[in-house]
Amino acid sequence: DAMVIQNPRYQVTQFGKPVTLSCSQTLNHNVMYWYQQKSSQAPKLLFHYYDKDFNNEADTPDNFQSRRPNTSFCFLDIRSPGLGDAAMYLCATSRGDRDTQYFGPGTRLLVL
Amino acid sequence: LAKTTQPISMDSYEGQEVNITCSHNNIATNDYITWYQQFPSQGPRFIIQGYKTKVTNEVASLFIPADRKSSTLSLPRVSLSDTAVYYCLLRREDTGRRALTFGSGTRLQVQP
Repeated sequence: DAMVIQNPRYQVTQFGKPVTLSCSQTLNHNVMYWYQQKSSQAPKLLFHYYDKDFNNEADTPDNFQSRRPNTSFCFLDIRSPGLGDAAMYLCATSRGDRDTQYFGPGTRLLVL
Repeated sequence: LAKTTQPISMDSYEGQEVNITCSHNNIATNDYITWYQQFPSQGPRFIIQGYKTKVTNEVASLFIPADRKSSTLSLPRVSLSDTAVYYCLLRREDTGRRALTFGSGTRLQVQP
């Protein structure tokens, strides 16, 4: 089945140690998104790619970066994780930027 | 995008119909009303979307009055597995690249 895959499901890192979360999709969608969701809060968009065009949200910290080497893969890099970056990170895709978004299961990040 | 307002939580029993109302007083002409469902430790999942009047699919119905300032998601005969957070969002149909902005959501608890 076509789907959005996130690995790993759980990631533990140390304060200040760079970490990379990965997302892949078999839907061949043009748009890929990264959301941050903290406990009991709604998902918050960090940035998204429309093909290779990167779109950063105004309030996304510089500590968060993203790469999309090809259509299928997108990575979230956190350069120096702080305790406040502990959250669920959700990847989503859509065919176009006005189409339904399909979410992956998320990666839960723990910062020690 | 206009802001949406939903009840923070609702309780129901198995077999009952649940109606979750969302207020969006400042909805724009080219906004579509979209609902997502999120189970614990999973990504949100698209449920239904509409512009006006009534939309029905295999999961839910969406009722939108003529002024479009509110909408009601109706879940017929809920079961325990419908316990989740339900998000009402407005998705703008225009040329701008704008992803989804999630509101606070309604936490539905279904009891036996």
